[in-house]
Amino acid sequence: KQEVTQIPAALSVPEGENLVLNCSFTDSAIYNLQWFRQDPGKGLTSLLLIQSSQREQTSGRLNASLDKSSGRSTLYIAASQPGDSATYLCAVDSNYQLIWGAGTKLIIKP
Amino acid sequence: NAGVTQTPKFQVLKTGQSMTLQCAQDMNHEYMSWYRQDPGMGLRLIHYSVGAGITDQGEVPNGYNVSRSTTEDFPLRLLSAAPSQTSVYFCASSYGGVSGANVLTFGAGSRLTVL
Repeated sequence: KQEVTQIPAALSVPEGENLVLNCSFTDSAIYNLQWFRQDPGKGLTSLLLIQSSQREQTSGRLNASLDKSSGRSTLYIAASQPGDSATYLCAVDSNYQLIWGAGTKLIIKP
Repeated sequence: NAGVTQTPKFQVLKTGQSMTLQCAQDMNHEYMSWYRQDPGMGLRLIHYSVGAGITDQGEVPNGYNVSRSTTEDFPLRLLSAAPSQTSVYFCASSYGGVSGANVLTFGAGSRLTVL
């Protein structure tokens, strides 16, 4: 059974720092991996989607990488800003259903 | 465009009561789904639909019922509410499922408390 883990559960860093969020999964047979952002009291917003044949995707200050063989993905956020404060969730498409991590709550201190 | 609209945003029920969470999308998406989110856990799939008239069970379907009579609407029914169903519920849709390049669009969520 596919399991997705995100460590740490929470992270607090000063504004301007570059940071990395981690996502690991137990079964490398995935079709894609997605990163989402969740703001308090709101729904989830898709940030990046990496298909199984890809190694990374970039959008603005965000870069996500995928290493299927090691069961890992990282989300790199450059030059963090207070507006980046949110919970970040990763999800893997395993057998046509998304399996989710519990998320990393990120706080960027001004 | 409104995207995915969920109602109500908040609901308190007593054990044994029934209710329906509404979900509507105006993007002509074929795929619609319901998730629940509990503290410290990832989202878990309750039910999903790949088109009007077609529904299927997800990971945690017990105690919930769905129907898909139109492309736009996908209501979630709690048949006899239990405290274990206290959660935040999200409806999400996409053009063609969750594989390939399909990206889910989420509603804002419905917070349900069962006493």
